[in-house]
Amino acid sequence: DAGVTQSPTHLIKTRGQQVTLRCSPKSGHDTVSWYQQALGQGPQFIFQYYEEEERQRGNFPDRFSGHQFPNYSSELNVNALLLGDSALYLCASSLVGQGSQPQHFGDGTRLSIL
Amino acid sequence: QKEVEQDPGPLSVPEGAIVSLNCTYSNSAFQYFMWYRQYSRKGPELLMYTYSSGNKEDGRFTAQVDKSSKYISLFIRDSQPSDSATYLCAIPGNQFYFGTGTSLTVIP
Repeated sequence: DAGVTQSPTHLIKTRGQQVTLRCSPKSGHDTVSWYQQALGQGPQFIFQYYEEEERQRGNFPDRFSGHQFPNYSSELNVNALLLGDSALYLCASSLVGQGSQPQHFGDGTRLSIL
Repeated sequence: QKEVEQDPGPLSVPEGAIVSLNCTYSNSAFQYFMWYRQYSRKGPELLMYTYSSGNKEDGRFTAQVDKSSKYISLFIRDSQPSDSATYLCAIPGNQFYFGTGTSLTVIP
């Protein structure tokens, strides 16, 4: 049973650049959420996708955008990168309508901004 | 006020000790409570999942919820070096709210 997979595992970018991170949800899951985890902090909710639409959004600027594909996989795009965007980006999957159920996480993409 | 507050530690204990990890939350409407464990360079993995008040035990781990105080706890008995990780409390609401995580080191 394939769990949540994310790519790439590490990425180094410079300020002002753009980045795309990818996520494949756990088999059978249809909802994907993205989180930003700064060093020493808990995950912060960025947004959630279901049926190829953004359903919920946390307190992140519109430099952060996403996409979900018909096969439920998802991308996170960040434009005009800032030093403060350096973090671990986590993808989590779940089933729609089961918002109180645990989310399953991938191992994340570690993004470093120089 | 944050939805979930957690003491970040760090916490360092000798092998075999009992560990107590705690979180408080602000919204009395919350019904489900989770604990995740996160090893270095890994994503969070679900450890315990509880509903409403009371205790839930799974091996060496016990999750406790006190809704009257809006306080949740995770106890680890007979702690092992392999328990060294960051422990995150999480509560589903309009979104998933996570604590800051408590870093635990169990010293052999």
